[in-house]
Amino acid sequence: NAGVMQNPRHLVRRRGQEARLRCSPMKGHSHVYWYRQLPEEGLKFMVYLQKENIIDESGMPKERFSAEFPKEGPSILRIQQVVRGDSAAYFCASSPPTFYEQYFGPGTRLTVT
Amino acid sequence: AQSVTQLGSHVSVSEGALVLLRCNYSSSVPPYLFWYVQYPNQGLQLLLKYTTGATLVKGINGFEAEFKKSETSFHLTKPSAHMSDAAEYFCAVSSTSGTYKYIFGTGTRLKVLA
Repeated sequence: NAGVMQNPRHLVRRRGQEARLRCSPMKGHSHVYWYRQLPEEGLKFMVYLQKENIIDESGMPKERFSAEFPKEGPSILRIQQVVRGDSAAYFCASSPPTFYEQYFGPGTRLTVT
Repeated sequence: AQSVTQLGSHVSVSEGALVLLRCNYSSSVPPYLFWYVQYPNQGLQLLLKYTTGATLVKGINGFEAEFKKSETSFHLTKPSAHMSDAAEYFCAVSSTSGTYKYIFGTGTRLKVLA
């Protein structure tokens, strides 16, 4: 059973461009969480999604950030008009329904130049 | 609201010495507690978890942690440090219902001295 997959692993964007980060959960997992790790900091919760629904987006910045988890395909975290402060590692985790344990992907390291 | 405090952002131990990484949590409901390890430029690997039952939890690589409700603590220990234990360690708490989102501590970077 493949683990949580994230791509790309490294992404470089210029200020003002868009960044799209993808997360494929483990097989059988219908819950996806996104976390952000700023340099020298811990991970901060961003958003929790189930298939076709955003359940909790209390950690998402109000502007420029959005997330989706369609019926088919990976979950996408989208950052519009990136700024240098968006440079961070973005981790995705998945879990099966009604289960507390999350399995983390390897992360996408976003660098904004 | 839940929160996690990890005392000591950097800890150094000699190889073979006891490892003790501290974690205190705040939660209005019984929590689930986790310790993760992160090696440079890698993802998070689960070391151990506490949900219910036995308060002394054993994990991988010789690590263990004890849930102490009265002290709201979940400290991570290992009797004898190995060079390969050098990494960053994160304590996390989640609720036992609802969204199960994790609240992470700020991490402790463990350095093992030869």
